[in-house]
Amino acid sequence: ETGVTQTPRHLVMGMTNKKSLKCEQHLGHNAMYWYKQSAKKPLELMFVYSLEERVENNSVPSRFSPECPNSSHLFLHLHTLQPEDSALYLCASSPRGRGVNTEAFFGQGTRLTVV
Amino acid sequence: AQKITQTQPGMFVQEKEAVTLDCTYDTSDQSYGLFWYKQPSSGEMIFLIYQGSYDEQNATEGRYSLNFQKARKSANLVISASQLGDSAMYFCAMREDSNYQLIWGAGTKLIIKP
Repeated sequence: ETGVTQTPRHLVMGMTNKKSLKCEQHLGHNAMYWYKQSAKKPLELMFVYSLEERVENNSVPSRFSPECPNSSHLFLHLHTLQPEDSALYLCASSPRGRGVNTEAFFGQGTRLTVV
Repeated sequence: AQKITQTQPGMFVQEKEAVTLDCTYDTSDQSYGLFWYKQPSSGEMIFLIYQGSYDEQNATEGRYSLNFQKARKSANLVISASQLGDSAMYFCAMREDSNYQLIWGAGTKLIIKP
């Protein structure tokens, strides 16, 4: 059983919809991440929340909005998405935000299709 | 410039053979960490092995070992005695001391043939 749980696993939404992705970790970690994985591209870091800092990738469009109410939960709010936003969205957590040996633990991802 | 390069988009390997997945990296940091992850078709990223830049020994974890050649800036993953369940995407990643994020390669799709 993974320590990082993402829901839903699959999501199909229209371009005018509003939806949210949820991530939950029970590992006692202090940092959480959202990644986007598109076909044939390296993983793209979208957002980082940690005790040390919150970091946003400035290239992420404002139609993606993160929320981190506590260290165990992370949300990604989606609104007016585009078809090119269709991808696998992965959540990860790590014991801390920095440190070269800081390993990230991933959820199983949400497969998002925008129609 | 690419910081992590995985030159093999895909590989076919016969079951029970050993396989080497290539990874080269680029950094000016003295302190950094290198990671390998496996991503099966289910989507989850599974951590396999870690190598620190100051580690003198090559990392090993069961059937996985990391061939770390610091001067060449390479960190190849070696899987011994491959199994059908090893079929997956494999990603090399790096975390630099000066950076908060993992930097990822494009991945290698490994298919094990029975």
